[in-house]
Amino acid sequence: GAVVSQHPSWVICKSGTSVKIECRSLDFQATTMFWYRQFPKQSLMLMATSNEGSKATYEQGVEKDKFLINHASLTLSTLTVTSAHPEDSSFYICSAEGKVEGRNTEAFFGQGTRLTVV
Amino acid sequence: LAKTTQPISMDSYEGQEVNITCSHNNIATNDYITWYQQFPSQGPRFIIQGYKTKVTNEVASLFIPADRKSSTLSLPRVSLSDTAVYYCLVGEGDKIIFGKGTRLHILP
Repeated sequence: GAVVSQHPSWVICKSGTSVKIECRSLDFQATTMFWYRQFPKQSLMLMATSNEGSKATYEQGVEKDKFLINHASLTLSTLTVTSAHPEDSSFYICSAEGKVEGRNTEAFFGQGTRLTVV
Repeated sequence: LAKTTQPISMDSYEGQEVNITCSHNNIATNDYITWYQQFPSQGPRFIIQGYKTKVTNEVASLFIPADRKSSTLSLPRVSLSDTAVYYCLVGEGDKIIFGKGTRLHILP
């Protein structure tokens, strides 16, 4: 199946700093990318949806100025957690969809990024 | 977006067939049904997708009745490595929303 690569797999940062997470679709063009956050023993929570070349659409309660999403090309989206705090520590996962004959493909997920803010 | 309801957890034994049912009473005409598997600290992995009747691949089967208000994921002869969380998703729109999933625990 298609491959979505997420980098880094884990990161530890100091409180107040910013962290960038990359999500790349390696063998298909991702028309739509999604960013999720997952806390231990819980389901994935959708943070935002982004389409290439346009601004991301954020879910209710997700601060767009804190979680900056850039989807500059059909193969790359980035999530930047600005001024990170310990409560931002979580597992962040991206996914990507393509289009085949006008219909969305199934979503392919990255391996996730474990963010720990100390 | 159609809401889905699954059992929170299930236990089974190695070698057994496991069936996980998902309810989606408000499924729309254009919605597909997709199942994902997630291991701890990993992203979800696509298992199977269907629209109606039965779909089978090398990993699982998906049974969808005529009214499409539910679906059943069938895992044949499970092993310990099938211990994971299984998510049923319904929709064809721009958002992919996860429900709580079913935590499947395979016992030796």
